[in-house]
Amino acid sequence: KAGVTQTPRYLIKTRGQQVTLSCSPISGHRSVSWYQQTPGQGLQFLFEYFSETQRNKGNFPGRFSGRQFSNSRSEMNVSTLELGDSALYLCASSLDSRSPGNTEAFFGQGTRLTVV
Amino acid sequence: QKEVEQNSGPLSVPEGAIASLNCTYSDRGSQSFFWYRQYSGKSPELIMFIYSNGDKEDGRFTAQLNKASQYVSLLIRDSQPSDSATYLCAVKQGGGNKLTFGTGTQLKVEL
Repeated sequence: KAGVTQTPRYLIKTRGQQVTLSCSPISGHRSVSWYQQTPGQGLQFLFEYFSETQRNKGNFPGRFSGRQFSNSRSEMNVSTLELGDSALYLCASSLDSRSPGNTEAFFGQGTRLTVV
Repeated sequence: QKEVEQNSGPLSVPEGAIASLNCTYSDRGSQSFFWYRQYSGKSPELIMFIYSNGDKEDGRFTAQLNKASQYVSLLIRDSQPSDSATYLCAVKQGGGNKLTFGTGTQLKVEL
C-alpha cells in the first residue's frame, strides 16, 4: 500500500513569489491535513480538508490556502512568500472514522521550502 | 500555558535501559493521543496512539494515558541507539483530524 506522497521534495523560491505544494494521501483516506514545521515554532497546524471542504483551519495568514480534489489529493498554496515561510511543509493523511481507533494520521516525507 | 507540553531534553539513557517520555495537555476534551518519532531531516513516523485510560503495549513501546491527570507517556524498553530521535506527542481535540503537537523530546541512547 503506497504511503503519503508529497511533491516536490525541495523548493527554492524568491521573496514575493508564490508556491504550490501537492499531497496524495493513502488510498482510501479522505482527510488531508497540512502542517508547517520550523525549528522555532515546531509543528503547527495549517488546515484540514475532508471531502473537498476545509474542515479546520489554523492561525496562519490568508496567504496560506489549500484545496482538495475529488480524488482526495490536496494542494496548498502560499502567495507573496516571505523569508519566514522557509520551513518543512508536511501533509498528513487520515482515514477519518468515527471510531477513535481509526484516527491515526500518517505523514508524507514533506516539502522543504527555502525562501531567499 | 502551552496546549501540549514536553520536556525538550535531551534525555540520555544507556543502551538497554528504559526511556520514559512524558507529555501533558491542557484541554480536558482531548480525545486521542499520539506518539511520533522524528529522525533529523525526516518526517514524523507514527509509533503509537492511545485513547483509553491505562496502558497500551506494542513491542518495546508502551503508551500510558491518565486523563484525570492530563498526561500521556511513552516507555521504550531495551532502548537501542537506533531509538535516538525526537519524540513528538500529539493530541487530537474536537471534530476532524487536527493534531496539536508538543515541541518534542530529544532522546539519546548511548552505547
